Amino acid sequence: DTEVTQTPKHLVMGMTNKKSLKCEQHMGHRAMYWYKQKAKKPPELMFVYSYEKLSINESVPSRFSPECPNSSLLNLHLHALQPEDSALYLCASSQTTGSGNIQYFGAGTRLSVL
Amino acid sequence: GEDVEQSLFLSVREGDSSVINCTYTDSSSTYLYWYKQEPGAGLQLLTYIFSNMDMKQDQRLTVLLNKKDKHLSLRIADTQTGDSAIYFCAVTSGTYKYIFGTGTRLKVLA
Repeated sequence: DTEVTQTPKHLVMGMTNKKSLKCEQHMGHRAMYWYKQKAKKPPELMFVYSYEKLSINESVPSRFSPECPNSSLLNLHLHALQPEDSALYLCASSQTTGSGNIQYFGAGTRLSVL
Repeated sequence: GEDVEQSLFLSVREGDSSVINCTYTDSSSTYLYWYKQEPGAGLQLLTYIFSNMDMKQDQRLTVLLNKKDKHLSLRIADTQTGDSAIYFCAVTSGTYKYIFGTGTRLKVLA
């Protein structure tokens, strides 16, 4: 099983709303990732968690707040977003040792900010 | 920093072979990957190759790696309409980071 599950699939929110994106994996992976992808572009790394600790923050604005409650779950809390934050948000997970850090991706959450 | 380039577009006829190319600048990557993304979907891992290999074959997919020229290619044999998608190559940069190529949109004509 190489499944990463993301919810919701679609989300529409206003600039004053607070919402959360969720990601879950049961592969025993200890690294989890958030990416942002604009149309016809490659994914851009936002955050990396390793063993439930934030390992990489790619200078993401504070209106995006990641959280890793346990080794299987990853959340992305959204607050006061801008229309330019509309994108496909992808979660991924990988083992942290060996196997070349193969990342497995979820289907994504398509976010629209009005 | 690392730069990974791909041609933007490729069009082939159903049943023909497709070859998608990728060039990169950093030779320290230990693994190189190919992902497929269909419209509105996430990235699906197709295959990967370790940097000490020249070739890897997996059913209809053949990956060729030329480390001297820093060139990676993905050949899809007997291309089908279901292969129409965007294909991304990716190389590792450090423990966790991927550097993705710009993506190649493959269109398969019936």
